[in-house]
Amino acid sequence: GAGVSQSPRYKVAKRGQDVALRCDPISGHVSLFWYQQALGQGPEFLTYFQNEAQLDKSGLPSDRFFAERPEGSVSTLKIQRTQQEDSAVYLCASSLGGELNEQFFGPGTRLTVL
Amino acid sequence: AQSVTQLGSHVSVSEGALVLLRCNYSSSVPPYLFWYVQYPNQGLQLLLKYTSAATLVKGINGFEAEFKKSETSFHLTKPSAHMSDAAEYFCAVIMNRDDKIIFGKGTRLHILP
Repeated sequence: GAGVSQSPRYKVAKRGQDVALRCDPISGHVSLFWYQQALGQGPEFLTYFQNEAQLDKSGLPSDRFFAERPEGSVSTLKIQRTQQEDSAVYLCASSLGGELNEQFFGPGTRLTVL
Repeated sequence: AQSVTQLGSHVSVSEGALVLLRCNYSSSVPPYLFWYVQYPNQGLQLLLKYTSAATLVKGINGFEAEFKKSETSFHLTKPSAHMSDAAEYFCAVIMNRDDKIIFGKGTRLHILP
């Protein structure tokens, strides 16, 4: 496709369940970013990949959060033992490379933890 | 620590009126600055960016922003609002090329007919 796609668009999980969120970046984009956007807030950085290498994971809020991009294309954000405070929209973005190149955002996955 | 402050979580303007969305940053060095727009159920879209070239930056859809170092501001303006401008707008900053983007909390723009 022409843009960044994310699936599922909506996810409802019971507290304690594991979830996996998928991001398909624009073909050829080297950099991939994950953000968490809580209700009424701006996106907050979670982690950054350059190809398959995870160069920065300083924004991951706890060790329950894990991200991977094994072949340097599709990425998965996994949240283990979900908690209510994990409820948010998770945004994925990709770019040709580096922070200053325009990041193209996907529509996000809205996660609700009950 | 770097931060971005957007004044006003909600701004309402009449169609055809001037749009002014305020953004201030805290930094001791000139940052890189961005404005993004988020339409309902869509991803964020880059409106414009300042990367130390001209201080007045023109973006898409008739928006522009001016970097004012003395005021540590990067306010977004549009001379004449259109109904299609109704969306959420985010100001964002990067302190140097290797840093992550820091977003403001956003300003929801409402256009009154």
